[in-house]
Order: sequence, then C-alpha cells, then structure tokens
Amino acid sequence: AQSVTQLDSQVPVFEEAPVELRCNYSSSVSVYLFWYVQYPNQGLQLLLKYLSGSTLVKGINGFEAEFNKSQTSFHLRKPSVHISDTAEYFCAVSDFLCGGTASKLTFGTGTRLQVTL
Amino acid sequence: SAVISQKPSRDICQRGTSLTIQCQVDSQVTMMFWYRQQPGQSLTLIATANQGSEATYESGFVIDKFPISRPNLTFSTLTVSNMSPEDSSIYLCSASGPGGYTFGSGTRLTVV
Repeated sequence: AQSVTQLDSQVPVFEEAPVELRCNYSSSVSVYLFWYVQYPNQGLQLLLKYLSGSTLVKGINGFEAEFNKSQTSFHLRKPSVHISDTAEYFCAVSDFLCGGTASKLTFGTGTRLQVTL
Repeated sequence: SAVISQKPSRDICQRGTSLTIQCQVDSQVTMMFWYRQQPGQSLTLIATANQGSEATYESGFVIDKFPISRPNLTFSTLTVSNMSPEDSSIYLCSASGPGGYTFGSGTRLTVV
C-alpha cells in the first residue's frame, strides 16, 4: 500500500523568499506523484505531476518539483513566493495509472503555506 | 482532461436527513472516486465507483451510510445518509484519465 508524508503542517515565509514543501512517499511499485493546491474556500487545482521521464517537473505559477527515487521524495519548490501563493498544498501518490484505469489517489495531510509581507 | 460538474456546491441539512451529491463528467471515464475532506484536514477516500459493479469502500466507510450509484461512464452519485453533525465536510468526486485525476469543485455540507 502506498502512503504520503508531508512533514510540515505549516510553512511561514516572507514574500519573494524561496520555499520548499517536503513530500515523502512509500510504495512497493512504481509511482505517479502529484501536487495539488487548494486556495481558501476553493476546490483542488493540479499544480504539477510526475508520471515518467524527466525527474524535474515544472508546473503552474512558477512551481517545480523533483522526483528523487532513492530518497522517495517529491519536494515542491518555488524560487520566489507571492502573497497569492498562500494556500494549502497537498502531495498525492498513486501506483497505477494506465489509460482509463487507475488506482486510488492517496493524499498527504497537507502543508499550509502562509506568505507574509 | 475531463471536466467534472458537481452539485450541489453547498447545503445545510438537518440531522437525520440524507443528501445526494451528483457528479457529471464531460467524457466517459472508467474510474470515479469519492473523497471526504473534513474541516482543516486532508482528503480521505470514501470509495471507488466503477460502472456496472458495486462500489469498493475504504476502511471506516460502509454502503449503508454512503450509498453510491454509477449508472454509466459519465455519472455518479454519493448519498450521505442519516446525517449527523460529524458528517459536516467537503465531499469531492474525482475521475481518472490518461494524464491523471480530475476533481469536482466539491460539495460543502453542513449538518445542523
């Protein structure tokens, strides 16, 4: 069974500073990894995903993440954050995704990114 | 990727009643999922809804409390039955596709 660990429940950061949100996973087979963002009182929005290929994945809003198989990590980074990046960020993993068939998506507990001036 | 229309977006219900949440997908999808997000928490999978067979429930969730229908490849419903205040949550549906997963906008349920 797969699992996801987001060690940081909250990350406070000043505007224009860099940020890294940590995500570690466990799975017995190959994995597919996702980062979602949830703005206050809104639904989930996909930031980026790793399915295969290059381990450095670029997403929307200037975010990127690097898949590290040896460390079983998929940390999310942004070189310079903005006030509007304040939101809840969820890392998620599935272990099977083939055409229309997929295993369930397992979510981490989330990290609250709080950007201040 | 598929687009999901979920309704209602929010509701306030009295305890003991039931609410049915609907999700309509704009294309045929094999797998649909229902999640619950309790206040301030992450998403927890309730069940996987497959067309033509009974839903598969996760530990801690039962069909009598959360009956699910999946009559075709573009539609699914989740009913929250005999509600109590502890059922106050956001409920989301999701569909899988070739590139990943799509989510409905969620139903914010408050039970009073």
